[in-house]
Amino acid sequence: GAGVSQTPSNKVTEKGKYVELRCDPISGHTALYWYRQSLGQGPEFLIYFQGTGAADDSGLPNDRFFAVRPEGSVSTLKIQRTERGDSAVYLCASSLLGAEAFFGQGTRLTVV
Amino acid sequence: SQKIEQNSEALNIQEGKTATLTCNYTNYSPAYLQWYRQDPGRGPVFLLLIRENEKEKRKERLKVTFDTTLKQSLFHITASQPADSATYLCALPPRGSNYQLIWGAGTKLIIKP
Repeated sequence: GAGVSQTPSNKVTEKGKYVELRCDPISGHTALYWYRQSLGQGPEFLIYFQGTGAADDSGLPNDRFFAVRPEGSVSTLKIQRTERGDSAVYLCASSLLGAEAFFGQGTRLTVV
Repeated sequence: SQKIEQNSEALNIQEGKTATLTCNYTNYSPAYLQWYRQDPGRGPVFLLLIRENEKEKRKERLKVTFDTTLKQSLFHITASQPADSATYLCALPPRGSNYQLIWGAGTKLIIKP
């Protein structure tokens, strides 16, 4: 595709609900990253995929967060039992190995 | 652990002047440092990467310096334009990683006509 696409662009959910955030990376990019950005802060690393496998998930805050990339392309970030503190912009980026990362526009998650 | 400090106050610059933004880090010197631009409601956009053995890097009106003694990178925009108004973030890899990035909070730059 032309760029990294994230859907939805905005998501409002009630506390305790389950949400899925989708990322369509640039075609051919093997590396995919999820970051979380709170207002006035820089992005915070969550997880990195190389191909289909999660090469580093050390940034996931707890076991309510999980991400998959089953075919090495589209990735889904899943959050169970959402809490108000999960509210943030969730950014996805993709790259060729060792090259610059291209970011999507993000999904703004609001937990009410 | 590594911490990155960027001026949290917005920087107001007159159009046509040079804008200079600062990025300081506190711990080990990284193998490289990156600068990104972020507009409201958008993801960061990569601008420049400078490696530890490079003192300076230029791209059109942009210039980045990297001083490993001072643990500081400076980002300059010459002949600034209102369209340069955005938040600028610096990012660097944590020790032992060549893919993860630690980010500063960014500095908001406002170029006034």
